[in-house]
Amino acid sequence: EVQLVESGGGLVQPGGSLRLSCAASGFTFSSYEMNWVRQAPGKGLEWVSYISSSGDTIYYADSVKGRFTISRDNAKNSLYLQMNSLRAEDTALYYCARDILGSGGYYYYYMDVWGKGTTVTVSS
Amino acid sequence: QSVLTQPPSASGTPGQRVTISCSGSSSNIGSNTVNWYQQLPGTPPKLLIYNNNQRPSGVPDRFSGSKSGTSASLAISGLQSEDEADYYCAAWDDSLNGYVFGTGTKVTVL
Repeated sequence: EVQLVESGGGLVQPGGSLRLSCAASGFTFSSYEMNWVRQAPGKGLEWVSYISSSGDTIYYADSVKGRFTISRDNAKNSLYLQMNSLRAEDTALYYCARDILGSGGYYYYYMDVWGKGTTVTVSS
Repeated sequence: QSVLTQPPSASGTPGQRVTISCSGSSSNIGSNTVNWYQQLPGTPPKLLIYNNNQRPSGVPDRFSGSKSGTSASLAISGLQSEDEADYYCAAWDDSLNGYVFGTGTKVTVL
């Protein structure tokens, strides 16, 4: 069964740091691009970051650029999100999601498998 | 922040057809395909439609998607009580180099 399990969330003070992990199983992790997506309490979905299968292409949302770092360890089937200089507005449920690149005369992208998420609360 | 615009709510009685719109721009929907996600309360998003109108295996054919220019829509025909959920559109944005999501639409079955 394809599965993604996030961990590492918790309560942290403003300005603090946290490292999230996402353990993948049931598929060849090294062959897939991955994303982090977050959802603030009672709010909609916000894409956070993307990393290619090899890790050589990385993108960030403007809201986290310079503060968050995405990485992966294909040998450990794991995805990470290092979050520094945390702010109250970073409080959210953080999901990792598998990315699919399809083709059929053109390229198309979508996130097909999502974990259950890990909660990050930034508060003093 | 959400770049794609959806109506905040939609509703219908069981068996009716409900349509949700998603409006974007040339850098996202105008250039790339649209995906739709269903989020039931307390659960992660579930892929409902990808590549504008393709359904993953297991998704009922009551759900259908379409795209025209910089807009897209999701239709739910034969509305059922278990369809009560939040629905989000999404697309890759070539200017932002990332995914953008819609503002979300809460579907209520009356």
